[in-house]
Amino acid sequence: DIQMTQSPSSLSASVGDRVTITCRASQSVSSYVHWYQQRPGKAPKLLIYNSATLQSAAPSRFSGSGSGTDFTLTISSLQPEDFATYYCQQTYSPPQSFGQGTKLEIK
Amino acid sequence: EVQLVESGGGLVQPGGSLRVSCVASGFSFSSYEMNWVRQAPGRGLEWVSYIHSGGVSRHYADSVKGRFTVSRDNAKSSLFLQMNNLRVEDTAVYYCARESVLTGSPSDYWGQGTLVTVSS
Repeated sequence: DIQMTQSPSSLSASVGDRVTITCRASQSVSSYVHWYQQRPGKAPKLLIYNSATLQSAAPSRFSGSGSGTDFTLTISSLQPEDFATYYCQQTYSPPQSFGQGTKLEIK
Repeated sequence: EVQLVESGGGLVQPGGSLRVSCVASGFSFSSYEMNWVRQAPGRGLEWVSYIHSGGVSRHYADSVKGRFTVSRDNAKSSLFLQMNNLRVEDTAVYYCARESVLTGSPSDYWGQGTLVTVSS
């Protein structure tokens, strides 16, 4: 099974900051990595799919990149509503798997 | 508008059984593959089970294989997860999620979740 490892596990930042979250796969997953945002008490929401494609209705300040084993999610200018937990997911090889999450907190 | 609404969660004793359901609306349910994903309190997301659009193929996480059964009723736009021999470690919010038809099959819509608590 493929393991997905996110770093950091938590991150403190301020409104307006640029932040980057990293996800590393234990073996190549091509570009089949997706990113989700989860606010407390809510269901996950798809932000980016296939490494770099922005889901419709997701704000353009979110971007993704990577292929193979290393992927990044970048938020260009943090907004108050972005403070949440972010998960990467691979669907290249069953069983699909998620990273452990990155909690983004207000500094 | 696409909607997924789970129900059926609750408190059950270890070794007991429970069936959770997910009713879909706003899209052609029979055309989509579906997954169950769970989240233990304060923990991350864990994939649990997958079912093909026609129900012909089903897959399970090792942690639930032999105890959980996924099924669907396309006529009623409903997805089910039968959970038997429940363990304390099965305590979690259970989400149903639709697999997108896009290449890569991300989960593009999720329900609000239903909480299953396994405790004596």
